[in-house]
Formats: sequence, structure tokens, C-alpha cells
Amino acid sequence: EAQVTQNPRYLITVTGKKLTVTCSQNMNHEYMSWYRQDPGLGLRQIYYSMNVEVTDKGDVPEGYKVSRKEKRNFPLILESPSPNQTSLYFCASSSTGGGNYGYTFGSGTRLTVV
Amino acid sequence: GDSVTQMEGPVTLSEEAFLTINCTYTATGYPSLFWYVQYPGEGLQLLLKATKADDKGSNKGFEATYRKETTSFHLEKGSVQVSDSAVYFCALIGGDRYKLTFGKGTLLTVNP
Repeated sequence: EAQVTQNPRYLITVTGKKLTVTCSQNMNHEYMSWYRQDPGLGLRQIYYSMNVEVTDKGDVPEGYKVSRKEKRNFPLILESPSPNQTSLYFCASSSTGGGNYGYTFGSGTRLTVV
Repeated sequence: GDSVTQMEGPVTLSEEAFLTINCTYTATGYPSLFWYVQYPGEGLQLLLKATKADDKGSNKGFEATYRKETTSFHLEKGSVQVSDSAVYFCALIGGDRYKLTFGKGTLLTVNP
């Protein structure tokens, strides 16, 4: 089944403790992206990647890092999480930059930083 | 930059009622337009799309027509069901082909 898989689904952590949210897709997509969803703000792009070793900032990159060492994986790294990073996170992928087919989304990771 | 404005709701309807969720956009060039749906506790699913002016996207009884003259992409369904209760997001891909720009979402609740 074609899908984007995120782990974990739920995570509670403490301020300052480094964490990684994994994202993997099995569709051989070139483009991958991370979004966060917050009430009243909708979804905002954090980082995106056009291919292996090619990444760039989205609208809200502060406090996050990403890497793209393999085509299928695009982990999101929070090196020193803070409470304002409590949010629902989605990974997404697309084969063409999304213009014709849109993006396929993962099921989400609900992160709480206390 | 690109932006999407949609009615924020919440919208509450009775089963079999007609649904319209308004969506307008601002973008340079010729964006592709999308409606995504998020059921409770789940991720986003692509509901329908349109990639050029006057295209009509349709799926599961939902429809939306790409209107360039009014920069709109309103979502409609003739007869909603309880199972349609979800959050609906209008979105576009414009000049930046790597970014989906979303509206803030509209919560739809359908009562039996």
C-alpha cells in the first residue's frame, strides 16, 4: 500500500530533550515536506526537500532541523524542544512537487512539550 | 505571497442538507487547487483537485470548480451524511511548487 509513515503517533517530552520524528514513504517520491497544524492557524510548512541532500526552509523553520540522506526518509529533529513546539505534525510527499497530484500525508504526530 | 481564505465555521447541518464551503485564493500565475479532508484523529486525505481554470474536481459526491475570474474554488455537496463530519481544508500550490498553502480549515458537523 502506498503510504507515508510517521512515528511516533504521540509523544510527550520535556523541554530541552532532543527528539526525532521519523517519516518514511514507499512511493519513490522526490519531494517531501513537514507541516505543523495549530488551532486557528491551519497548517504551516516547516521544511521541505526536493531530493536527497537537498532541503530548504519553509515558513516556520525556527527550532527544527531536517535531513534527507535517503530518498524514502525525511526525519524532523527538534534539538531543544520548547513548549511552543507543542503541535500536530504532518509529513507529506509528492512525485512532482504537488502541482498535478497534490501531496500524500502521513497520519500525524501529536507532540506535547512540557 | 500566496494565500487561501475559507469560511472558518463551524458549520452544522442536518443529514441530507446541501453543503457549500467557500474558498477564495490569491496567487501569482496559475495555481493548482485542492480540497483536503481530515476526519477526527486522522491525517489529511486529498478529496479533490483542479489544475486549470474551469476544471471541476469531484469525489465522493463532493464537487468544486476552479473559477479564475472570481479566484474561487468552493466545495459543494448535494446531500451530506453523518460520515462527512470532518475538517475541510482548501489549499493551493502556486509559484512555489514545493509548498501547499492552506486555508485555516472548516469544521463540518452533520447531525442525524
